[in-house]
Amino acid sequence: GAGVSQSPSNKVTEKGKDVELRCDPISGHTALYWYRQSLGQGLEFLIYFQGNSAPDKSGLPSDRFSAERTGGSVSTLTIQRTQQEDSAVYLCASSLVATPAQQPQHFGDGTRLSIL
Amino acid sequence: DQQVKQNSPSLSVQEGRISILNCDYTNSMFDYFLWYKKYPAEGPTFLISISSIKDKNEDGRFTVFLNKSAKHLSLHIVPSQPGDSAVYFCAASAQNQFYFGTGTSLTVIP
Repeated sequence: GAGVSQSPSNKVTEKGKDVELRCDPISGHTALYWYRQSLGQGLEFLIYFQGNSAPDKSGLPSDRFSAERTGGSVSTLTIQRTQQEDSAVYLCASSLVATPAQQPQHFGDGTRLSIL
Repeated sequence: DQQVKQNSPSLSVQEGRISILNCDYTNSMFDYFLWYKKYPAEGPTFLISISSIKDKNEDGRFTVFLNKSAKHLSLHIVPSQPGDSAVYFCAASAQNQFYFGTGTSLTVIP
C-alpha cells in the first residue's frame, strides 16, 4: 500500500529481552517520527529523523532505546532489556517535509508491544 | 509535564448536533496546531490544522478555533455524524517537535 507500514503489528515478549520495531515510511517522505502511546496517555515523542541529518533523540526515555534509519527510508526502533513499563503502542509517522505547515504527518497503525 | 491537555476524556453528542472538542496548551512558542482522528487499532489520521497567526480555519464540517491569549483551541464538528465517532487528539508543534494531548473519545449517537 501507499501508507506508512509498521511491523510487527503486535509483539509479546518477556522482560529483559530486546525487541526491534520496523517502520516503512511513505516513499519520498524525508521526515520520520517515532512516538509511543502508553495506556491512557497521549502520544509521546521519541525520536525524529530528517533526511540525512543527525536525528533528534531528545524524546528517548532511556539509553535502552535507540533508533536508526537506513538509506533515508526504513527505520528500526530497538529497545534493549525491555521492562514492563515499555508496554505501549509504538507509532511511526512520516511527512514529505519536516515543516508541519507544509505537510501533516501520516501515521502507521502502530506496533502494540506487551512486556510480560 | 503535559504541554498539551485535553481535559475531557469523552464526549457524547446526538447525530446532527454540534460536537465541540477542547484543548489547552502551556507553551507560547507553539506555532502550529493540528487535530488528528483515530479509530481503534489504526494510526491517527490528520484532520485539520491551524497556524498560530490565524484564529480560525474551516474545512467542510470541521472548524478549528485558536485563542492564543487563553492558550486554547477547539474543534467544532457540525453536523455530527455517527462516522465521526473516534478518539480525537490535538497536537501542537514548535521547532519540528510535536506534542499531543491524551485524546477525547467522541461518540455520536444516531
